[in-house]
Amino acid sequence: AQSVTQLDSQVPVFEEAPVELRCNYSSSVSVYLFWYVQYPNQGLQLLLKYLSGSTLVKGINGFEAEFNKSQTSFHLRKPSVHISDTAEYFCAVSGETSGSRLTFGEGTQLTVNP
Amino acid sequence: GAVVSQHPSRVICKSGTSVKIECRSLDFQATTMFWYRQFPKQSLMLMATSNEGSKATYEQGVEKDKFLINHASLTLSTLTVTSAHPEDSSFYICSARVPVSQGLHFGNGTRLTVT
Repeated sequence: AQSVTQLDSQVPVFEEAPVELRCNYSSSVSVYLFWYVQYPNQGLQLLLKYLSGSTLVKGINGFEAEFNKSQTSFHLRKPSVHISDTAEYFCAVSGETSGSRLTFGEGTQLTVNP
Repeated sequence: GAVVSQHPSRVICKSGTSVKIECRSLDFQATTMFWYRQFPKQSLMLMATSNEGSKATYEQGVEKDKFLINHASLTLSTLTVTSAHPEDSSFYICSARVPVSQGLHFGNGTRLTVT
């Protein structure tokens, strides 16, 4: 069984500040990790994914995440956020490289204030 | 890039009626699609896996007679909420697996409100 915990339900930050959204996972098998962003009343857009190789993964919109196997974490970071980054962010885990049958975390609402 | 279209984006229906939601892959063939449900301020829960030409695979706790899934072609999967009740009100999202890259693309979701 797999599970994902996003440690912060809401993260308010000021524009141009750095941000980290935390994600921890548990799994009895190999996992593949994903971060998705959801804007209001829309579907999900893939930000980045970790399948194998380098533990630092770079995604779209200036986001990056680091896979830490010993801490079972996959935290999402951005050095300088914009107002347009305000959205819900979901961490997800899958037992398949395709990202099928995703198990999602509870989500973190990132609010960027001017 | 791969596009998944979901229709309608928003629907209001009366209790006891049925509602059909469509999920289309516009520029690729999707043998596998997934249906998720999202309650307000909560995460997405996988309801079922839709396979073209065969029966859908439902997750534990999801009533297959309540949520009918049909995947009759390589570009279309439908979810029908039968005899809808207010507790079925939710945001339903589909996703489709892109064959070559094997990545997932999501539709924009359907907001269902049952009165």
